[in-house]
Amino acid sequence: EADIYQTPRYLVIGTGKKITLECSQTMGHDKMYWYQQDPGMELHLIHYSYGVNSTEKGDLSSESTVSRIRTEHFPLTLESARPSHTSQYLCASSMAGRETQYFGPGTRLLVL
Amino acid sequence: GQQLNQSPQSMFIQEGEDVSMNCTSSSIFNTWLWYKQDPGEGPVLLIALYKAGELTSNGRLTAQFGITRKDSFLNISASIPSDVGIYFCAGHMDSNYQLIWGAGTKLIIKP
Repeated sequence: EADIYQTPRYLVIGTGKKITLECSQTMGHDKMYWYQQDPGMELHLIHYSYGVNSTEKGDLSSESTVSRIRTEHFPLTLESARPSHTSQYLCASSMAGRETQYFGPGTRLLVL
Repeated sequence: GQQLNQSPQSMFIQEGEDVSMNCTSSSIFNTWLWYKQDPGEGPVLLIALYKAGELTSNGRLTAQFGITRKDSFLNISASIPSDVGIYFCAGHMDSNYQLIWGAGTKLIIKP
């Protein structure tokens, strides 16, 4: 059973607000990921990290930023939310040397 | 970029029927993963495959890593209502650090 947590689960916010989506895992995994997914559609990688102080952009361009100051924590920040940011954001983690990713429950973001 | 072709896109089945879906690529993969996603939730790992020809079961689910390393199959036997959801395949290549994802197969059970 994967132990990866995301908060909030749901967020409705106005345009221009700054938001941070939290992701934490208790498995000691080195690698962590953020995906963006519209309902029923495929997953798009927007950020990933190989470990503390490592962050990389994924295949899908995103205006969000991430940080990795602690192994277990990988927050995603949007400085100024826009309606185009409305989506589901999924966090995942994996062990070093293994490709199997374990996902959190997701955060559904609605920007008005 | 690299792509996985996942089919079918959706399936309407009767309860009790067997289900088959597959993913194919023009590239060689060294890992195949199958996930299921329920509405509003994150994907949950069903089966992981690491060797060509590998056949692995998880309850009523069986998945195979194709011999050519360019495809994988997932079968569900005797489907039940809780099998409804979206099934995603994902593959990993040595030349790419990230997973490549299929577009998903939506499974719907006819009432």
